[in-house]
Amino acid sequence: NAGVTQTPKFQVLKTGQSMTLQCAQDMNHNSMYWYRQDPGMGLRLIYYSASEGTTDKGEVPNGYNVSRLNKREFSLRLESAAPSQTSVYFCASSVLAGGMETQYFGPGTRLLVL
Amino acid sequence: AQSVTQLGSHVSVSEGALVLLRCNYSSSVPPYLFWYVQYPNQGLQLLLKYTSAATLVKGINGFEAEFKKSETSFHLTKPSAHMSDAAEYFCAVSDQRTPTRTGANSKLTFGKGITLSVRP
Repeated sequence: NAGVTQTPKFQVLKTGQSMTLQCAQDMNHNSMYWYRQDPGMGLRLIYYSASEGTTDKGEVPNGYNVSRLNKREFSLRLESAAPSQTSVYFCASSVLAGGMETQYFGPGTRLLVL
Repeated sequence: AQSVTQLGSHVSVSEGALVLLRCNYSSSVPPYLFWYVQYPNQGLQLLLKYTSAATLVKGINGFEAEFKKSETSFHLTKPSAHMSDAAEYFCAVSDQRTPTRTGANSKLTFGKGITLSVRP
């Protein structure tokens, strides 16, 4: 049981380049999330997907798009990377138990945009 | 709107000393509260969560937290720090109270995090 996996672990982009961050979970969770982590800012929600086929904006969606490919996979795309998107990106999935959602996180993707 | 305040960005304790990491929250509904730990270059790991079943919550690695509604606090403690506790700790609040079928009616709001250093 791998939990939440993310690829790649590290990436360096030039301004204007595009890339897709991949996330997969094998816990049969319905909901998945993308966050970015910046120093002194905590984690901020970019997009989330309540269930397969649905996606919604979070706190900081500008410059990103997402795709919920199936129940397991939730990808984050940067169409035209900017230096402000240099960050650590975390994917999470959540399980509903006892009326409460608990989120579980992947190991992160470290992105540097030059 | 919900929010979390973690005062200070860095706490340093000696090995064997008490660890106290503070968290205060604001929520328009009774909250669910979480503490996550992040070790260097790793993802976030759930330490413990408050579900309203008990005000004192025990988590992994000897950590516990106490929910105090009157103080809107959920401070994290550990009686005796170990070198391996050095990490960044995040408090988070969720306003989801209604059971859902599909999930994700809850959104986590994170504090800015506190880095814990443990001195030998």
